[in-house]
Amino acid sequence: KQEVTQIPAALSVPEGENLVLNCSFTDSAIYNLQWFRQDPGKGLTSLLLIQSSQREQTSGRLNASLDKSSGRSTLYIAASQPGDSATYLCAVITYNNNDMRFGAGTRLTVKP
Amino acid sequence: DTGVSQDPRHKITKRGQNVTFRCDPISEHNRLYWYRQTLGQGPEFLTYFQNEAQLEKSRLLSDRFSAERPKGSFSTLEIQRTEQGDSAMYLCASSYGANTEAFFGQGTRLTVV
Repeated sequence: KQEVTQIPAALSVPEGENLVLNCSFTDSAIYNLQWFRQDPGKGLTSLLLIQSSQREQTSGRLNASLDKSSGRSTLYIAASQPGDSATYLCAVITYNNNDMRFGAGTRLTVKP
Repeated sequence: DTGVSQDPRHKITKRGQNVTFRCDPISEHNRLYWYRQTLGQGPEFLTYFQNEAQLEKSRLLSDRFSAERPKGSFSTLEIQRTEQGDSAMYLCASSYGANTEAFFGQGTRLTVV
């Protein structure tokens, strides 16, 4: 069964700092990995999707990398802003089960 | 297309009552997922459909929980004989196949009193 872990569970940084969020997974036979953002009491907003054949994806100040062989992904946020404060979740879809499994998330606070 | 739609957004029910939630996926998305999320936790997988076929379900979906997706369009999630532990956010997502981006609705927040 796929297990997804996110470290750290919470992170607080001053505005303007660059930061990295980590996601690891136990079964490397994945279709893809997707990063989401969730604001309190809301649904999930898709940020980036990385296919299993890709190494990274970029969208604006966000860059996500994937190392399938080691079961790791990172989400890099450049020049963080208070509006980036949210919980960031990663999810993977594996070949075996075809379902989408989530980590517990990293709660990010960016202080003005 | 306005994205994934869930109804209702909020539901308060008394313990022991049955509740049903609806999810309308993005049109032409053949995959539909249901998740449950409690405070401070990541979404917990419940079940998913490929068109009208329910391909996998967690152990939570045996007993009081059931889900359907008639004709491969909208889906419903029913909880029978609700318990206080069922209080959570229920999330629905859809995608076109396993290897494409998944999109979530705003969720249905259930409170069992």
